[in-house]
Amino acid sequence: AQTIHQWPVAEIKAVGSPLSLGCTIKGKSSPNLYWYWQATGGTLQQLFYSITVGQVESVVQLNLSASRPKDDQFILSTEKLLLSHSGFYLCAWSLQGYAEQFFGPGTRLTVL
Amino acid sequence: QEKVQQSPESLIVPEGAMSSLNCTFSNSASQSIWWYQQHPGKGPEALISIFSNGNKKEGRLTVYLNRASLHVSLHIRDSQPSDSAVYLCAPFYGSSGNKLIFGIGTLLSVKP
Repeated sequence: AQTIHQWPVAEIKAVGSPLSLGCTIKGKSSPNLYWYWQATGGTLQQLFYSITVGQVESVVQLNLSASRPKDDQFILSTEKLLLSHSGFYLCAWSLQGYAEQFFGPGTRLTVL
Repeated sequence: QEKVQQSPESLIVPEGAMSSLNCTFSNSASQSIWWYQQHPGKGPEALISIFSNGNKKEGRLTVYLNRASLHVSLHIRDSQPSDSAVYLCAPFYGSSGNKLIFGIGTLLSVKP
């Protein structure tokens, strides 16, 4: 069975500090991978998607970057956090050619 | 920019009643419309999707789609307290990076 793991579960960071969030999918080969962000009280927005290792497309510019170093791993990062980066970050996967996306448990980020 | 509007913002129904949720979207090019369920602090989970005009039934769930009016609705028969959650409507655009455009959601509370 496929599993999706996100780390850390929660983070409290200072403005201007770096950030790295991770996501691992087990049990699926060559999935499409996605990063979403949900501000408190806001809508879920797709930030990045990747269809293969080393290839990442940006959907929304939020001074964040993403990388896919392995087939089953997706990383979200920034060198300098802003207050506006606070929120709930979700990783998701889908099979190639299928619309249904499966979401991970999320990481709650608080920037102070 | 695609927009998704959901109504009502919140809905309280007694156990056993029918729950009806509405969604309008702005871009008729969506390939399918998805409904996701999200519990507090968790990632959303896909419930049901529809592609063609008309209705689709799965268990206690029925979804209606009218592409001409850009409207989709979700009906939950015999609502249970365990159905209490936020319900998100999300049109899918496969040609735009497999993008799901989420609405703000409807908070459903089912009272025993």
